[in-house]
Amino acid sequence: GQQVMQIPQYQHVQEGEDFTTYCNSSTTLSNIQWYKQRPGGHPVFLIQLVKSGEVKKQKRLTFQFGEAKKNSSLHITATQTTDVGTYFCAGPGGAQKLVFGQGTRLTINP
Amino acid sequence: DTEVTQTPKHLVMGMTNKKSLKCEQHMGHRAMYWYKQKAKKPPELMFVYSYEKLSINESVPSRFSPECPNSSLLNLHLHALQPEDSALYLCASSQTADWRYQTQYFGPGTRLLVL
Repeated sequence: GQQVMQIPQYQHVQEGEDFTTYCNSSTTLSNIQWYKQRPGGHPVFLIQLVKSGEVKKQKRLTFQFGEAKKNSSLHITATQTTDVGTYFCAGPGGAQKLVFGQGTRLTINP
Repeated sequence: DTEVTQTPKHLVMGMTNKKSLKCEQHMGHRAMYWYKQKAKKPPELMFVYSYEKLSINESVPSRFSPECPNSSLLNLHLHALQPEDSALYLCASSQTADWRYQTQYFGPGTRLLVL
C-alpha cells in the first residue's frame, strides 16, 4: 500500500537552532497533512497542502509541497522549547485512509 | 467546539475481561476513525466509519469490535485481549472521509494496559 517515508527519525537541537523534517512518497500525492504530537499527547492537525509547489507559513513554521507532489517538508525557524514533540506527515493511503509517516521526534536543549 | 472526547483516559484489563472505549464529537463530522498507537510509532489505522457505516476494517482481530450508534458516537468493544494489545487507542473524526475534507481531529486517547 501507499507509504510515506519521513526523515530524520530523531533530531536534537539547541534552542534557537532551526529544524527540518522531510517526507517522501514514491507516488504522487493529492495532498499532504502535517500533525504534531506533544509527549504524552495526541496528534494535532497543523496544515494541509494541496497544490504543487505550495508553501505555507505559520509563524516560525514553513511547510512546502514539492513540485511533483511527491515530497514535503516542515521547517521550524529558531526553535523554542514549546516546539518539542513528534511531527508526522500524513498522506492519502487509498480511499478514506490517511497513512502517517514514521514521525520525526524533536528534542530541544534549552 | 472542535473537541473529540474519549473515555476512559486509562484502562487496565485482564485477558478475560470485556470493556468498551467511547468516543464522542459534536462537530457534525460524518467520518470517525479508530487508531492504535504504540510508543514511538505513528498512529495505525484500525477502522473507518463513514456516515455511520463501517467502511474500512484494516484486518483487525475480532477481539476488537467497533460500533457507531449515531453520527456523534463511536465505541470500541474489547474482549479477550492480549498483552500485545496494550497501546494508546485514539479516536479521530473528520468532516467526511473524502481526502479534501479529511483533516482529522484526534481525541486525547485511552491508554490501555492488558495484563
